[in-house]
Amino acid sequence: AQKVTQAQTEISVVEKEDVTLDCVYETRDTTYYLFWYKQPPSGELVFLIRRNSFDEQNEISGRYSWNFQKSTSSFNFTITASQVVDSAVYFCALSGMPGGSQGNLIFGKGTKLSVKP
Amino acid sequence: DSGVTQTPKHLITATGQRVTLRCSPRSGDLSVYWYQQSLDQGLQFLIQYYNGEERAKGNILERFSAQQFPDLHSELNLSSLELGDSALYFCASSVALAAANYGYTFGSGTRLTVV
Repeated sequence: AQKVTQAQTEISVVEKEDVTLDCVYETRDTTYYLFWYKQPPSGELVFLIRRNSFDEQNEISGRYSWNFQKSTSSFNFTITASQVVDSAVYFCALSGMPGGSQGNLIFGKGTKLSVKP
Repeated sequence: DSGVTQTPKHLITATGQRVTLRCSPRSGDLSVYWYQQSLDQGLQFLIQYYNGEERAKGNILERFSAQQFPDLHSELNLSSLELGDSALYFCASSVALAAANYGYTFGSGTRLTVV
């Protein structure tokens, strides 16, 4: 069965600190996709990144970076120089092949990040 | 605005009642997914429709049902409501059945409170 584990329930940092959110996944599919979403206090789900299982290149987007390692089934997310506006719940998600229940997203429990000024 | 419209944004109802949540997918998207976000269960997949047909079911209760209409909007019907059904219900749409290839667009959610 597919599973996503975000072991960190809550993280609190002070502004300008770097923070890494961990995500470990389980799947038997050889082709799959990994996602990160941000849920600010307003409640909507904001898409951050999608990565397919064949692309292990790390990605950087501004202060955000992602480290995908198939060998450890991890897809970690780092925020550099955190800001108060980064305070939110962050979800890692996995999607398998279409059909059955695998074409949808399997979400982790989320990590609540609080960035204090 | 993501392009996925969910109505109503908030709903308060009593136990035992029935409610209908509505989702209009992004223009051109054929696939609609429903998710439930509750404090104890987290974000869980409920059901998927593609071009009017049910394609996948997740942890959806028998008291819940959904459909997708010819104009591609979808409705999620929740009946015999219990306190534990209080949650944020999200709709997501995608252009294809193989949604992961193209990505998902989420609506802003309907917050249901059962009292």
